[in-house]
Amino acid sequence: EVQLVQSGAEVKKPGESLKISCKGSGYSFATYWIGWVRQMPGKGLEWMGIIFPADSDTRYSPSFQGQVTISVDKSINTAYLQWSSLKASDTAMYYCARHRYFDLWGRGTLVTVSS
Amino acid sequence: EIVLTQSPGTLSVSPGERATLSCRASQSVSRNLAWYQQKPGQAPRLLIYGASSRATGIPDRFSGSGSGTDFTLTISRLEPEDFAVYYCQQYGDSDTFGQGTKLEIK
Repeated sequence: EVQLVQSGAEVKKPGESLKISCKGSGYSFATYWIGWVRQMPGKGLEWMGIIFPADSDTRYSPSFQGQVTISVDKSINTAYLQWSSLKASDTAMYYCARHRYFDLWGRGTLVTVSS
Repeated sequence: EIVLTQSPGTLSVSPGERATLSCRASQSVSRNLAWYQQKPGQAPRLLIYGASSRATGIPDRFSGSGSGTDFTLTISRLEPEDFAVYYCQQYGDSDTFGQGTKLEIK
């Protein structure tokens, strides 16, 4: 089955670090872009950035450049989104999705940042 | 960064009628535009890519049109399951999403 499986929900405190994951299966993982999308509570979709697993070419939205890091381990078909110091405003659902237009989505990882 | 502006913000339509949603880009995106449907508690679902190509499994009552800066998603005969939030996305240059249109039952 072609799918993206995301890691589970996280509850963190401000200032903590976090790395969430997205594992692809059932297709040639290395040859499709993987993107990350943020959805804050009750709000719309925000494009964060994308990575091409074959060569780790990475592009960020200006809004997220320097705020997060997108990485990949193509040996295990997994992409990552990480923060070095979380803020309360990072509380959101984070989706990974495949391709430039997103034809395959993960179910999302809910990140809650609260003191 | 290319800004996508969707209109209207909320659209009230009766089942069986036609819905027309608009997405306008601040500069040309050629035909690099997609449409998504999102229902509460679910991940978005791809409906249209390349401005007018239906994604796999999408009913033919969904159609997309436009190029350059002006795009339209049309749902020809609304079914109860079509009431949701719809987003456009451009993927030509530092990809962005529109702010969404909520399609509600009239």
